Amino acid sequence: AQSVSQHNHHVILSEAASLELGCNYSYGGTVNLFWYVQYPGQHLQLLLKYFSGDPLVKGIKGFEAEFIKSKFSFNLRKPSVQWSDTAEYFCAVNAGAGNMLTFGGGTRLMVKP
Amino acid sequence: ETGVTQSPTHLIKTRGQQVTLRCSSQSGHNTVSWYQQALGQGPQFIFQYYREEENGRGNFPPRFSGLQFPNYSSELNVNALELDDSALYLCASRGQGLLYGYTFGSGTRLTVV
Repeated sequence: AQSVSQHNHHVILSEAASLELGCNYSYGGTVNLFWYVQYPGQHLQLLLKYFSGDPLVKGIKGFEAEFIKSKFSFNLRKPSVQWSDTAEYFCAVNAGAGNMLTFGGGTRLMVKP
Repeated sequence: ETGVTQSPTHLIKTRGQQVTLRCSSQSGHNTVSWYQQALGQGPQFIFQYYREEENGRGNFPPRFSGLQFPNYSSELNVNALELDDSALYLCASRGQGLLYGYTFGSGTRLTVV
């Protein structure tokens, strides 16, 4: 069965710092990869996704992620975070039939103003 | 675009009782999935419905059951509630194919006492 690991459970940054959140998955075949964000009190929102093609994908709000197949990774990055990026971030993988998503445990990001 | 709406937003039930949670899919979406998100964890896939048929199920016991209606709205039913069923239950819908990802509702917070 596929699994997703997000090794950073809590991250605290100051505004303008750079962000990188790790995501590793275990599945040897073709995968579709997603990053979702959950702002306080709101529903999960899609930040970006990778299906195929250019392994560097750009999403909303200045976020990007890089798919590295050899490392089974899909890390999320942002060059300069803002206080409004305070949220919980979830990496998710879809692999195989059924199109269900397998989520990582999430990373809670706090950005200090 | 109406988004995904779930009801109720909060619910308190006693151990052993039964509960029904409801979800209205985003307009035009024919696939709905349900996820359980325990406190401090990522969402866990419960099951998925496509055109009123269950077409995928996660590692949840049979007391978790569901329905999808012709208008693509959906229900999640949980019988014989246990304390560990306390969680946020998320409904997610999508259209044909996974290309645009899932749209999530804000969830129903279920507390079992």
